[in-house]
Amino acid sequence: NAGVMQNPRHLVRRRGQEARLRCSPMKGHSHVYWYRQLPEEGLKFMVYLQKENIIDESGMPKERFSAEFPKEGPSILRIQQVVRGDSAAYFCASSPTMGGPGANVLTFGAGSRLTVL
Amino acid sequence: DQQVKQNSPSLSVQEGRISILNCDYTNSMFDYFLWYKKYPAEGPTFLISISSIKDKNEDGRFTVFLNKSAKHLSLHIVPSQPGDSAVYFCAGLSGAGSYQLTFGKGTKLSVIP
Repeated sequence: NAGVMQNPRHLVRRRGQEARLRCSPMKGHSHVYWYRQLPEEGLKFMVYLQKENIIDESGMPKERFSAEFPKEGPSILRIQQVVRGDSAAYFCASSPTMGGPGANVLTFGAGSRLTVL
Repeated sequence: DQQVKQNSPSLSVQEGRISILNCDYTNSMFDYFLWYKKYPAEGPTFLISISSIKDKNEDGRFTVFLNKSAKHLSLHIVPSQPGDSAVYFCAGLSGAGSYQLTFGKGTKLSVIP
């Protein structure tokens, strides 16, 4: 019973390149969330998606960042023209229905650590 | 603007003793508080939660206390075990239909055998 799967676990990019992070939710979960943890900080909400729909992207930086959750395949967080400040751990989480307490508590993946040189 | 604060970056406790992790918040709209535990190279794992209408919730060795008037909550682990060594995050949630967890920066607990 695999949990939330994220890949790659580690990604190194040079400034100006693109980063693509992938997330497969837990089996039976159709709601996906991306969180970012900057060094020495707590996790911060970025975006909430269901299949083919972005529900809430209020935490996403306005430029260079995008997310999708296609009908088939994993959710993808895409960062274009990366800068050093994008270096962080990016965590994906999933839930069976819209997240909340109790049965809908978010289950997190192990994260993808992005390093921008 | 830190809505959830964990002012102790680290805590060391002897095995078998009580661990107390503290968390303060400023957002009065939080309806639930959750604690997550995180081991290195792993994602945060849900541990225990408490509704804002309660002042205590217990699950085995873990108890969370909520003091709404002080906007303070604490996680008690007793007895502490070496396997409890991890980073503990406190998080607030606004409303049962909400999904945006607001996390603190975490407290690294070390349980010394």
